[in-house]
Amino acid sequence: DTGVSQNPRHKITKRGQNVTFRCDPISEHNRLYWYRQTLGQGPEFLTYFQNEAQLEKSRLLSDRFSAERPKGSFSTLEIQRTEQGDSAMYLCASSPTGTKQETQYFGPGTRLLVL
Amino acid sequence: GDSVTQMEGPVTLSEEAFLTINCTYTATGYPSLFWYVQYPGEGLQLLLKATKADDKGSNKGFEATYRKETTSFHLEKGSVQVSDSAVYFCALYNQGGKLIFGQGTELSVKP
Repeated sequence: DTGVSQNPRHKITKRGQNVTFRCDPISEHNRLYWYRQTLGQGPEFLTYFQNEAQLEKSRLLSDRFSAERPKGSFSTLEIQRTEQGDSAMYLCASSPTGTKQETQYFGPGTRLLVL
Repeated sequence: GDSVTQMEGPVTLSEEAFLTINCTYTATGYPSLFWYVQYPGEGLQLLLKATKADDKGSNKGFEATYRKETTSFHLEKGSVQVSDSAVYFCALYNQGGKLIFGQGTELSVKP
């Protein structure tokens, strides 16, 4: 597999429940990014990692959101106490470091629906 | 802060028509510019990029030229196909880790 993979592809949950998404980046990529995309809008940046270090978090990432990349490989994004406003597509991307770090490759996304 | 503005859609064209999707940006410094395409139910695919002024990115018949004087990066294709129907996103990268996207332009190509 040469691309970014995300699981699950779809998630339906009830308000108040916790959900966790997983992203596996391209194997040689050090950087991993999370974005959120709502219907009819462009993706919005949430956070990114370089190896296991979380280097930046958006103001969009409320206290209910937490992301980890414990071994510098895959990453998880957890949303606690979900709200209906969390319904969106959650996109993961990866890139190498160095001169090519600006080119990000995206996974297929996880579509979350909070009822 | 940095931002990207795209022409509103949807854009509806007949097959073999000429396509232009406008994109302008606001940024300090010298950002890199990108076009991504999103097919229904899928993630984003990188279409093309340009990293400095007057660079032309091209791929699959699509082209865009980085115009610093007009802060623009318009996407063009000479002859669209039904298979080009998708949502197109213009984006910039300007230091730090994040891409900043426009709102997207939906393209529908009719046979």
